[in-house]
Amino acid sequence: QKEVEQDPGPLSVPEGAIVSLNCTYSNSAFQYFMWYRQYSRKGPELLMYTYSSGNKEDGRFTAQVDKSSKYISLFIRDSQPSDSATYLCAMSKPGGRYNQGGKLIFGQGTELSVKP
Amino acid sequence: ETGVTQSPTHLIKTRGQQVTLRCSSQSGHNTVSWYQQALGQGPQFIFQYYREEENGRGNFPPRFSGLQFPNYSSELNVNALELDDSALYLCASRIGASGRLGEQFFGPGTRLTVL
Repeated sequence: QKEVEQDPGPLSVPEGAIVSLNCTYSNSAFQYFMWYRQYSRKGPELLMYTYSSGNKEDGRFTAQVDKSSKYISLFIRDSQPSDSATYLCAMSKPGGRYNQGGKLIFGQGTELSVKP
Repeated sequence: ETGVTQSPTHLIKTRGQQVTLRCSSQSGHNTVSWYQQALGQGPQFIFQYYREEENGRGNFPPRFSGLQFPNYSSELNVNALELDDSALYLCASRIGASGRLGEQFFGPGTRLTVL
């Protein structure tokens, strides 16, 4: 079993739709939860970063973390064609010598397409 | 503020050759990590450098090695290239202090093709 599971999609939605992207994980030691957006053949871009449980909102994006269920979500409101990309969830745990806990464990990525 | 940069952008090598990839960390970031991303997969952690020392390594063989320099830039070296080494190699940087583990920023990557 992978430490982080993410539905690879592809997910296709019409412009303006609300998009829900999700990841589950198995390691309860994870405390840092990130969402990255990756356009084709480019490096991942950090969208949202949450420490421990709770919600975080940034413009059209909302990240939720439910540690009791080991489940995280990213919601995109009023989706735009420019949101078409692969969305990667990533997690990290603290600790270790020199904070080597900064190692990120990624999901497989969900490919999102927003149609005009 | 300068972001993470990587060079070269693309590289084509043949099996058995050696390759060196380079990364300049974001200004003020002293910790650099390298990841390998195969097509259609999430990035996989190779190793991390802090204060010029390797302080974390993923499930990669010893032919993957690295360096970090006093200016925090870094190199990834891969010896005896194999076909399966074809991937996008990503460098990420962060400030190596507790509480900032989520703020890791990636470069554009180097796409390596092994023939």
